[in-house]
Amino acid sequence: IVMTQSPTTLSVSPGESATLSCRASQNIYSNLAWYKHNPGQPPRLLISGASTRATGVPARFSGSGSGTEFTLTISSLQTEDFAVYYCQQFDSWPPTFGPGTKVDI
Amino acid sequence: QVKLVESGGGLVKPGGSLRLSCAASGFTFTDYYMSWIRQAPGKGLEWVSYISNSGATIYYADSVQGRLIVSRDNTDNSLFLQMNSLRTEDTAIYYCVGARGRWYPFDFWGRGTLVTVSS
Repeated sequence: IVMTQSPTTLSVSPGESATLSCRASQNIYSNLAWYKHNPGQPPRLLISGASTRATGVPARFSGSGSGTEFTLTISSLQTEDFAVYYCQQFDSWPPTFGPGTKVDI
Repeated sequence: QVKLVESGGGLVKPGGSLRLSCAASGFTFTDYYMSWIRQAPGKGLEWVSYISNSGATIYYADSVQGRLIVSRDNTDNSLFLQMNSLRTEDTAIYYCVGARGRWYPFDFWGRGTLVTVSS
């Protein structure tokens, strides 16, 4: 399954919100995860099952969608939120990732 | 707390070999299904290999099939990746990653170890 993400880069100001999109090449139901990746750090699981926040993830992160279209919304961006975000499907083998969306200032 | 610490990366010539290790702590290692995921310079994330919690089931990406061998030692909470016949395109940061099952997202990630394949 091929995952695509848009936009490639999203420039926002602290305090604003950001909307990231992810599309699957076929129906993956809700078997989608979102990860945040800061340079030099390991990726961190944010959202699983398309909309369930992982333990310790702030409520400003929310996920939605099912089937082939998914969205990650980050409300009131904080400094630490500027990173690359990846979506990943775990409906079919092998697991595949999107190319990422970089959220920068 | 959960910790995954990779080691063994380095510079190797094309055709050479390398063995990566991952030391796990802070969780019940035998409950988790482990994978290696890599990120080439300037590229996204690519799943490379998977091993079930018991070690009985193993899968590889097509790009590494026949050249990489994944294993685990549940008595020592360790994961390994034997890398043979390395190619320049194997240059990447290799992450040790844990999940609750084959059909689950990746819960835990290590900081990664850099493998550089170059003459």
